[in-house]
Amino acid sequence: KAGVTQTPRYLIKTRGQQVTLSCSPISGHRSVSWYQQTPGQGLQFLFEYFSETQRNKGNFPGRFSGRQFSNSRSEMNVSTLELGDSALYLCASSPGLATYGDTQYFGPGTRLTVL
Amino acid sequence: DAKTTQPTSMDCAEGRAANLPCNHSTISGNEYVYWYRQIHSQGPQYIIHGLKNNETNEMASLIITEDRKSSTLILPHATLRDTAVYYCIVRVYSGGSNYKLTFGKGTLLTVNP
Repeated sequence: KAGVTQTPRYLIKTRGQQVTLSCSPISGHRSVSWYQQTPGQGLQFLFEYFSETQRNKGNFPGRFSGRQFSNSRSEMNVSTLELGDSALYLCASSPGLATYGDTQYFGPGTRLTVL
Repeated sequence: DAKTTQPTSMDCAEGRAANLPCNHSTISGNEYVYWYRQIHSQGPQYIIHGLKNNETNEMASLIITEDRKSSTLILPHATLRDTAVYYCIVRVYSGGSNYKLTFGKGTLLTVNP
């Protein structure tokens, strides 16, 4: 089985712009979770989508949003980028809800740099 | 607000067993303990998880204390490629019907030749 894929792998944006990141889960997995990783804060949970619905969310501002399509692929959008949004954004897929205990499998991440 | 506590770093000699501790004293009765590791610049990799009983797979063993307040991940014969940050994770209630998986800072395991 192919693993979780994320595109693009690297991205450079400027403050005020918006960005969309994409994640394709493992075939058959219905849940996609998004995480932000920075050196100072570590890995922080953004949100989880299951069957096209956001099921859980972390403590991030409304500038961070996401969606999931009927084929379970997911996109994450960040609007009005700030310097502090520079991070590695990780996507993880699981057969069922990760926050109910299903094992997650992570992609390689998208490295976002905001200038 | 992490519910797990791990040492910041540990060293291990190649070929020896690496024992990584995790404290999760506030874990609920039906919450699993998960272990992941992250090798530099890659996404986290699932290792093992458990609820009450000890677990073993091809990568590692997980020993959970009887009171479930702590656990130990054991890599029986550490290799240089096991050098990574190891995360012990439990689920954290975040309000309403929301839960989130909190990774904490993890333990940097360095396997030395």
